[in-house]
Amino acid sequence: AIQLTQSPSSLSASVGDSVTITCRAGQGINSALAWYQQKPGKAPKLLIYDASSLESGVPSRFSGSGSGTDFSLTISSLQPEDFATYYCQQFNSYSHTFGQGTRLDIK
Amino acid sequence: QVQLVQSGAGVKKPGASVKVSCKASRYNFIDYFIHWVRQAPGQGLEWMGWINPRSGVTKYAQDFQARVTMTRDTSVSTAYMELSRLTSDDTALYYCARPGNWKDGYDIWGQGTMVTVSS
Repeated sequence: AIQLTQSPSSLSASVGDSVTITCRAGQGINSALAWYQQKPGKAPKLLIYDASSLESGVPSRFSGSGSGTDFSLTISSLQPEDFATYYCQQFNSYSHTFGQGTRLDIK
Repeated sequence: QVQLVQSGAGVKKPGASVKVSCKASRYNFIDYFIHWVRQAPGQGLEWMGWINPRSGVTKYAQDFQARVTMTRDTSVSTAYMELSRLTSDDTALYYCARPGNWKDGYDIWGQGTMVTVSS
C-alpha cells in the first residue's frame, strides 16, 4: 500500500494567519489526492479533490497543490471554524490510504 | 438530499463478529462504489476497503483481508461490512463513504457506527 506522510502532525496558529500542511506519498500518485477536514464527533468533510480542485461549497481560502509525491493544503486567513484535524488520502492504487492527520489548534 | 444512513452502535465480545449496514438514498445505488473507513478513539482514519454495488466485486486493505467481508443488497440499496474475530483494537467508529462523480474524494459520508469490543 502507498504510504502518505503528513507534516506537521500538529500546529498552532491564530485567526487571520495562513498555514500550509504537506502530504508526501511513498511513490508517485499523479494528482489522485484528496484533503478532508474533520471536527470532533463529525464525519470528515471533503475540501479538495484531484489534488487541487475545490469541492463545491468549500470557501476559496482553502487551496491544494502538487502532483507526483508532494502535495500541500493551504488555508489562507484562518477563520475560527477552520480549527480542526486535516487528512490527505490517495486514490492512485486500489488501496486508498490516508495520511496520519494534522491537528490545527488555536494559538 | 443524497445520503448514507448507517446502523446503530453496538457492543460485542472479543472473538465475535459485527455487521454494519449502510443504506443509500436519493441516488442510484449501483452507480457508485461504497468504501469503508474506521477511526479508533482519538486516532486517525483507516481505509478498510470498497465494494462495487453493481458487480459485488470487493477490494480489502491488507490489514483486514482475513477478517472483513463487504456485501450489498441492491434490492434495498444497502451495503454491509462484516468484521470477524473482534478484539479490543477493533473498537472504533466505522464509516461508509461514497466517492464523488468523476472525482478522487469521498463527498458523501454516513454518520458513523460506533462498535465497542468489550468483555
